[in-house]
Amino acid sequence: TQLLEQSPQFLSIQEGENLTVYCNSSSVFSSLQWYRQEPGEGPVLLVTVVTGGEVKKLKRLTFQFGDARKDSSLHITAAQPGDTGLYLCAGAVGNQGGKLIFGQGTELSVKP
Amino acid sequence: NAGVTQTPKFQVLKTGQSMTLQCAQDMNHNSMYWYRQDPGMGLRLIYYSASEGTTDKGEVPNGYNVSRLNKREFSLRLESAAPSQTSVYFCASSRGIQGYGYTFGSGTRLTVV
Repeated sequence: TQLLEQSPQFLSIQEGENLTVYCNSSSVFSSLQWYRQEPGEGPVLLVTVVTGGEVKKLKRLTFQFGDARKDSSLHITAAQPGDTGLYLCAGAVGNQGGKLIFGQGTELSVKP
Repeated sequence: NAGVTQTPKFQVLKTGQSMTLQCAQDMNHNSMYWYRQDPGMGLRLIYYSASEGTTDKGEVPNGYNVSRLNKREFSLRLESAAPSQTSVYFCASSRGIQGYGYTFGSGTRLTVV
């Protein structure tokens, strides 16, 4: 069974602080995606990383895919209250119709 | 707006009752998925349909059945609801190509009493 472990599970910080969320597995994934979910809504795709070592930036968010394609990180610079939400990583499983395995999620709260 | 539409948004069932959750997408996506979300457990795959006419079990299929009615619609049926099926259910669709992201519906919050 392929598993994705996210850490930390909960994170409460002050506005302006930096943070990093980690997503780790013993399995290799062909690609990895990050989603953000707000209460009462479905997850929304933030980014997809495909190549080992790849780094993508989305404004204050930086995503990195590990060289071995087993892990990923999400770094937020100068967090804002609008960044509050549940962050989920998801790994693509082989060639199975685009099936994704999701991590448990990181609940982020950014206080003004 | 284009996307994934789920109905109903909320439902309360008594133990043993049956119901069908409906999902439709208008993006001409090939693949569709049903997940459940429970606190601290992320999203767990119940069933998926890689393409019209095919369905496969995911991680937690017991107690559920699915139907891929056509390319647009993918329904999830609970034949005899149990309290352990209390959860938030999400339908998603995708082109089914590696690296292509999912579009999720807004979810169905189901309580079984």
